Amino acid sequence: AQTVTQSQPEMSVQEAETVTLSCTYDTSESDYYLFWYKQPPSRQMILVIRQEAYKQQNATENRFSVNFQKAAKSFSLKISDSQLGDAAMYFCAYRSANSGYALNFGKGTSLLVTP
Amino acid sequence: DTGVSQNPRHKITKRGQNVTFRCDPISEHNRLYWYRQTLGQGPEFLTYFQNEAQLEKSRLLSDRFSAERPKGSFSTLEIQRTEQGDSAMYLCASSFPRGTGGPEQYFGPGTRLTVT
Repeated sequence: AQTVTQSQPEMSVQEAETVTLSCTYDTSESDYYLFWYKQPPSRQMILVIRQEAYKQQNATENRFSVNFQKAAKSFSLKISDSQLGDAAMYFCAYRSANSGYALNFGKGTSLLVTP
Repeated sequence: DTGVSQNPRHKITKRGQNVTFRCDPISEHNRLYWYRQTLGQGPEFLTYFQNEAQLEKSRLLSDRFSAERPKGSFSTLEIQRTEQGDSAMYLCASSFPRGTGGPEQYFGPGTRLTVT
């Protein structure tokens, strides 16, 4: 089974600054998807950004961008111009493109944004 | 349509009782997933439906757990003879049919189960 590792249980960033959350994964597959989800306190999980493994270009969504290093099996999330509303648990997730639809999640990183 | 909905949002039950949760997916989504999330952990996959067919089950889904999606619309997850270890947030998600949308899953707000 594929495993997803988020080595930073907690991160802190000041408003308007940039922060990078780390994620590594283990797989023998060549075709897959990677996601970052955000889960605010007591609120539902929402998709932040996704990356298809076959695409070399890193995905971006407004202030959110990823650094996808396929050979290194690394998928970090960069949040630019951090806002108070970015405070949440961030989960990295992996999904095979060809063998099943289950998302495999990491344990999450709690992001604190300070004024 | 405003997204995936789940009911109830909270459930407190005594050990040994049966509980049932409901999930209503986004209407155009034919795939539906159940996950369990315990405190401090990421969600763990339980099971997946495509239309009314249950196509994948995790080893976490013991025989006390049963999920159904009778008409390919809403789904129910039942836990029989609840145990304290069943206390968790139960999340439902749905996604588009293959080829008609992205691979991402859209999550509901979850049902928090507390077994006393």
